[in-house]
Amino acid sequence: GDSVTQMEGPVTLSEEAFLTINCTYTATGYPSLFWYVQYPGEGLQLLLKATKADDKGSNKGFEATYRKETTSFHLEKGSVQVSDSAVYFCALSGSARQLTFGSGTQLTVLP
Amino acid sequence: DADVTQTPRNRITKTGKRIMLECSQTKGHDRMYWYRQDPGLGLQLIYYSFDVKDINKGEISDGYSVSRQAQAKFSLSLESAIPNQTALYFCATSDSKREARTGELFFGEGSRLTVL
Repeated sequence: GDSVTQMEGPVTLSEEAFLTINCTYTATGYPSLFWYVQYPGEGLQLLLKATKADDKGSNKGFEATYRKETTSFHLEKGSVQVSDSAVYFCALSGSARQLTFGSGTQLTVLP
Repeated sequence: DADVTQTPRNRITKTGKRIMLECSQTKGHDRMYWYRQDPGLGLQLIYYSFDVKDINKGEISDGYSVSRQAQAKFSLSLESAIPNQTALYFCATSDSKREARTGELFFGEGSRLTVL
């Protein structure tokens, strides 16, 4: 079945540092890939998405590129802010047409 | 007001009690979902409903039941709560017309359930 593996946290960075959160997936066919973010005390919200190979999703300074050859969708941001502190979830929508989530990565950004 | 509202937001109960978590939405979406979140496990799908008459089990439905009372309302019940059902529960909605293109779910703020 479909599965998503993302790097374990927690991740702690200083403000303005570079962020990478790794995400790899297993799926049949051509899934769509997503990053969701969960700010403290809130539900998840869509951060960015990519629907086909080599697509780059971007939003709020975050980027991720759909790499079919490496089955990866790593999340990056060049300069993180304290307000980026949250839990980040990688997810895919595959043949089952349901979202499959990774386990989440807690990010803390220190001033 | 939130587009997806969950009640209660927090609940502490005892083993064996019946619990109902309610979800209502004002987004006009046809699809609704219940997820469970445990630390380190991400989100697991409990049940989902594509419309009022279409309800499906997710990956962890044992011990849970649901009711889609109307397009805007989707309730999750624990008939006899047990301690390992202690978790954060999320309701989510989507628009089937848009989901094929965007895959976007809209989440409520969560209901924290503790079973003693």
